Amino acid sequence: DIQMTQSPSSLSASVGDRVTITCRASQSISSYLNWYQQKPGKAPKLLIYAASSLQSGVPSRFSGSGSGTDFTLTISSLQPEDFATYYCQQSYSTLLFTFGPGTKVDIK
Amino acid sequence: QLQLQESGPGLVKPSETLSLTCTVSGGSISSSSYYWGWIRQPPGKGLEWIGSIYYSGSTYYNPSLKSRVTISVDTSKNQFSLKLSSVTAADTAVYYCARHPRGVTTILVWGQGTLVTVSS
Repeated sequence: DIQMTQSPSSLSASVGDRVTITCRASQSISSYLNWYQQKPGKAPKLLIYAASSLQSGVPSRFSGSGSGTDFTLTISSLQPEDFATYYCQQSYSTLLFTFGPGTKVDIK
Repeated sequence: QLQLQESGPGLVKPSETLSLTCTVSGGSISSSSYYWGWIRQPPGKGLEWIGSIYYSGSTYYNPSLKSRVTISVDTSKNQFSLKLSSVTAADTAVYYCARHPRGVTTILVWGQGTLVTVSS
């Protein structure tokens, strides 16, 4: 099975900061990597699919990169509404979803 | 606009069976383009996919839960359901229903989630 890890597990940042979250897969998953944002009490929301494609309606300050085993989610200028938990998820396997453990972004 | 709504008991006793239903509105569960799935999230923890079903009844499950999980579909009611047997406190979680494209493990539509607590 493909295992996903994320770093850091949490971070504190200020509005306007550039934020980078890393996700690593236990084996190569090409570009089959999604990023979701989850706010407290809400369902996750898809931000990025196929490692770098921005989901419709998602602000352009969000971007994704990477391939193989190492991936990055970047928020270019953190906004108040971006404080949330972010999960990566491999979509390489069509028969098994695997999520990363999450990265919580909170206010510094 | 497609909406998914989970329903079912919020409290289940240990060793019993957890049963939830997801009602689909604004679209047909019989679409050939999508699978319908369940994902759970224990309080304060991460996301775990449970399993998915096609309108024809074809299913696939997370191997870690497979022995205890049954997902079924009722196309006449535009609903699909989850049964998880022999529950313990570790099964306490928010349970989400969701839709993903056939052959693609990317979730674009989620229900709002329902908390199920396992306790005597």
